[in-house]
Amino acid sequence: ETGVTQTPRHLVMGMTNKKSLKCEQHLGHNAMYWYKQSAKKPLELMFVYNFKEQTENNSVPSRFSPECPNSSHLFLHLHTLQPEDSALYLCASSQEQGQAYSPLHFGNGTRLTVT
Amino acid sequence: DAKTTQPPSMDCAEGRAANLPCNHSTISGNEYVYWYRQIHSQGPQYIIHGLKNNETNEMASLIITEDRKSSTLILPHATLRDTAVYYCIVRVDNAGNMLTFGGGTRLMVKP
Repeated sequence: ETGVTQTPRHLVMGMTNKKSLKCEQHLGHNAMYWYKQSAKKPLELMFVYNFKEQTENNSVPSRFSPECPNSSHLFLHLHTLQPEDSALYLCASSQEQGQAYSPLHFGNGTRLTVT
Repeated sequence: DAKTTQPPSMDCAEGRAANLPCNHSTISGNEYVYWYRQIHSQGPQYIIHGLKNNETNEMASLIITEDRKSSTLILPHATLRDTAVYYCIVRVDNAGNMLTFGGGTRLMVKP
């Protein structure tokens, strides 16, 4: 148990569907992240939220839309995806206080397949 | 963020020490070195981090060279469950949360 829970674990969707990925952290952290991990590629940072405010959008296409209603929950809304968007989507959290260190805690991801 | 370089793969015999190197020659003075690992079908797991001094915890030891341009993660007695991809990354304190993961090292622990 990592303290970061992602649902669903697996998702298959068509290119015209709309779906959402959910992430919840039980660690009392104030920063949350979305990463994408495609087959045989490094993890790519997509979005960062600090204190519920989006502080980073790493040139992600608009078909991915994040939402952070509070510091414990993070969503990734998906619409009109492409097959190349099939990947493992990972959520992470950390405690950002300007401290010297703040390790990321990851969930186990949602395996997304776009057909 | 500074860039890191790691060998793509390594083998280690079960019970022996696994020494995983990482080069970060462009590291800045206030950037920390972090190590994570990812076991198949799971999210990355934090292992250890350090700035200048060597560090040890229940999982591993981290040796950072005096010039801070490279580091080594040591798993003292590798087990089959340590088979994973190990990532070395650097991060600036008080930074804007940018963490860049490279390709990592795929460690295979063999019986």
